[in-house]
Amino acid sequence: NAGVTQTPKFQVLKTGQSMTLQCAQDMNHNSMYWYRQDPGMGLRLIYYSASEGTTDKGEVPNGYNVSRLNKREFSLRLESAAPSQTSVYFCASSDGQGAYGYTFGSGTRLTVV
Amino acid sequence: GQQLNQSPQSMFIQEGEDVSMNCTSSSIFNTWLWYKQEPGEGPVLLIALYKAGELTSNGRLTAQFGITRKDSFLNISASIPSDVGIYFCAGQADSWGKLQFGAGTQVVVTP
Repeated sequence: NAGVTQTPKFQVLKTGQSMTLQCAQDMNHNSMYWYRQDPGMGLRLIYYSASEGTTDKGEVPNGYNVSRLNKREFSLRLESAAPSQTSVYFCASSDGQGAYGYTFGSGTRLTVV
Repeated sequence: GQQLNQSPQSMFIQEGEDVSMNCTSSSIFNTWLWYKQEPGEGPVLLIALYKAGELTSNGRLTAQFGITRKDSFLNISASIPSDVGIYFCAGQADSWGKLQFGAGTQVVVTP
């Protein structure tokens, strides 16, 4: 099925460990986004990529890095995980104009202990 | 920056009741969107609104783009158990702008 695929679905990390969350879309969308979702906080933008080859910080970028590997793939890296990064992470994509909204992946639930 | 205020935060309703929620913004938006998130899944687009005053329906869901362009409303009529989830509003200021999301309204439907 067409859409946004995120891996892994669940992950437990120890404080200080690093990991990369993967995201791929097959809709030929130009723009891709990483959000985190915490209870009562809604969706907060971490980083986004308006088009292949560009990335920009969102609302809460500290502690994260991203790579737009090609048009399909946009990864999120935690270099040194902290308990405050325990959250559910969503990747999304859009055609760049946002007129039809974003298509979201099913999320990665990350726990940092 | 722009802020979206979504209310209520949560609603506990009985099956068959109608549900209303709204979003207000400190700035004008050109597009309003409503998403639903079911447990363990990502948000899914329900309704998109593109013109001030626009009223759009999707089954039992009806959403309106406020005349001031600073608010939007979502109504769910005759709720059923599968309406359970978190409903998010989102606004976009211009065609190439990023979406701003509300904090969500959690809907719980009891039989």
